[in-house]
Amino acid sequence: QKEVEQNSGPLSVPEGAIASLNCTYSDRVSQSFFWYRQYSGKSPELIMSIYSNGDKEDGRFTAQLNKASQYVSLLIRDSQPSDSATYLCAVNGGAQKLVFGQGTRLTINP
Amino acid sequence: SQTIHQWPATLVQPVGSPLSLECTVEGTSNPNLYWYRQAAGRGLQLLFYSIGIDQISSEVPQNLSASRPQDRQFILSSKKLLLSDSGFYLCAWSVPLGHGVTYFGPGTRLTVT
Repeated sequence: QKEVEQNSGPLSVPEGAIASLNCTYSDRVSQSFFWYRQYSGKSPELIMSIYSNGDKEDGRFTAQLNKASQYVSLLIRDSQPSDSATYLCAVNGGAQKLVFGQGTRLTINP
Repeated sequence: SQTIHQWPATLVQPVGSPLSLECTVEGTSNPNLYWYRQAAGRGLQLLFYSIGIDQISSEVPQNLSASRPQDRQFILSSKKLLLSDSGFYLCAWSVPLGHGVTYFGPGTRLTVT
């Protein structure tokens, strides 16, 4: 069974610091990887997608992918209180069906 | 631009009652459609997946069913709800044959009492 593992947290980071979120996956042939942000009581919102090894930057967010290690990470620079949310890692499990991790709860402390 | 609608936003139903949740997508044709459930404090569980009208795959055996009577309409149903059916139900869509980028609707919060 395809699995995606995340540290459930909570992860507490001071405002202005870098938040680092990690994810590992079991299916070596996975090709597409995503990070979603979910505020309490709301639906998940796509914030990053990454398909190739290396880094992909979008504003304060950087996604990192290492297929050899089956590892995906999300860095949030200059963390803001509005970044406090649960972050979900997702992997395309084939046939365009995403497999999600349990999510990491992130709290940014002012 | 594409928009996905779900209703109702919240629902409280007694055990044993029927269920019907609706989802519609605007601004795209022939999308892949999905129903996910998120139990309290848990991750997202894929329930149903559809690549076209009347083409639906069930991912988890349970007392729920899904139908897709029109290209951009997806319905989740149950004849008799269980307490364990409580959760946050999310409809989602993706572009066929893409990377699997998936967009979620606003969700329905279901409480079975």
